[in-house]
Amino acid sequence: AQSVTQLDSQVPVFEEAPVELRCNYSSSVSVYLFWYVQYPNQGLQLLLKYLSGSTLVKGINGFEAEFNKSQTSFHLRKPSVHISDTAEYFCAVSELLHNAGNMLTFGGGTRLMVKP
Amino acid sequence: GAGVSQSPRYKVTKRGQDVALRCDPISGHVSLYWYRQALGQGPEFLTYFNYEAQQDKSGLPNDRFSAERPEGSISTLTIQRTEQRDSAMYRCASSQTPSSTQYFGPGTRLTVL
Repeated sequence: AQSVTQLDSQVPVFEEAPVELRCNYSSSVSVYLFWYVQYPNQGLQLLLKYLSGSTLVKGINGFEAEFNKSQTSFHLRKPSVHISDTAEYFCAVSELLHNAGNMLTFGGGTRLMVKP
Repeated sequence: GAGVSQSPRYKVTKRGQDVALRCDPISGHVSLYWYRQALGQGPEFLTYFNYEAQQDKSGLPNDRFSAERPEGSISTLTIQRTEQRDSAMYRCASSQTPSSTQYFGPGTRLTVL
């Protein structure tokens, strides 16, 4: 069974400061890794994903994440945040079950609060 | 529409009533997933379909929960004899193929009084 831990439930940060949202996972097999963002009163939107290849993945809105297999981590970073980045961020994993479905296991979420 | 849609967006019901939640996936998407998200938590997998076939229902909490996708497009999640603990956001997602990226709908907020 796979699991995802988001170590911080809330991260307050000032506008234009850098931010890192932490995610660790456990799985007995190879996985895909995802970050989703949920803005208030909206659905989940894909930020970025790691499937294979380069361990540094770039996503939308200036976010990037780095897959570290030895530390089983997939931390999300942004060098300079904006007020509009205030949202809930979810890390998720799925096991590589080719053509058999892609059930996502989510972490508990991290609320990013950007202050002026 | 271009995205996944869900209806109703909000549903308030009394304990013991049955409810049906609808998901309309992106046109042509093979796979459809249902998740449940309690307040302050991440979504949890309930069940999924490839075309009209239910592939995995291991996440359904008990036999009061059922889902169908009879024509391989729209899906309905039904909860019978609702209980207060069923209150949550119910999210639907679809993907073009079983292993491709999932796109989520806005969710249905269910409140059981």
